[in-house]
Amino acid sequence: DTVLTQSPALAVSPGERVTISCRASESVSTRMHWYQQKPGQQPKLLIYGASNLESGVPARFSGSGSGTDFTLTIDPVEANDTATYFCQQSWNDPTFGGGTKLELK
Amino acid sequence: EVKLLESGGGLVQPGGSLRLSCAASGFTFTDFYMSWIRQPPGKAPEWLGVIRNKANGYTTEYNPSVKGRFTISRDNTQNILYLQMNTLRAEDTAIYYCARTRRGHYFDYWGQGVMVTVSS
Repeated sequence: DTVLTQSPALAVSPGERVTISCRASESVSTRMHWYQQKPGQQPKLLIYGASNLESGVPARFSGSGSGTDFTLTIDPVEANDTATYFCQQSWNDPTFGGGTKLELK
Repeated sequence: EVKLLESGGGLVQPGGSLRLSCAASGFTFTDFYMSWIRQPPGKAPEWLGVIRNKANGYTTEYNPSVKGRFTISRDNTQNILYLQMNTLRAEDTAIYYCARTRRGHYFDYWGQGVMVTVSS
């Protein structure tokens, strides 16, 4: 299995820029996708193919990276971005990172 | 509007079986791959398996962690996705989601999820 590693938590102030990282245990090319999950809700697709913004997702969200290192950026952060963010690879059988919990100061 | 609605969850004893359903609407069901994904409370999601679309013969693939115990199927006349789960274990306790799956094996729409608890 391809293991995806994410930092467990981040805290930022509204209006700031935040980057959430995801590192893969092997190259996944650009087969990396990002989801937002708020408490009690299902995950929501934000970014697919490392850098493609899903329809309807605000342009404050962006993704970058290839190979083993990927980043989700939110700029500027808003209060309702409080959530857990998961990366997911599809280079081989899909696996998810452990999630990064984003809290607002 | 794409909608996915799971049902069939609940409490089951270890070694028991359960079948989950996912009613799909708002899109041409046969055009899409469909997956099951589970998430233990407070943990990361785990992909369980996928069933491909009509063009790809409705073939299936599974996560090795559930292969042989879980079976994915679909009723393309009623637009329902199924997950048959056998020989359930305590570690199968989770919220189970169905998800529409794009060809790149990522998930653009998820149901609201259904809880499965395996306990005596």
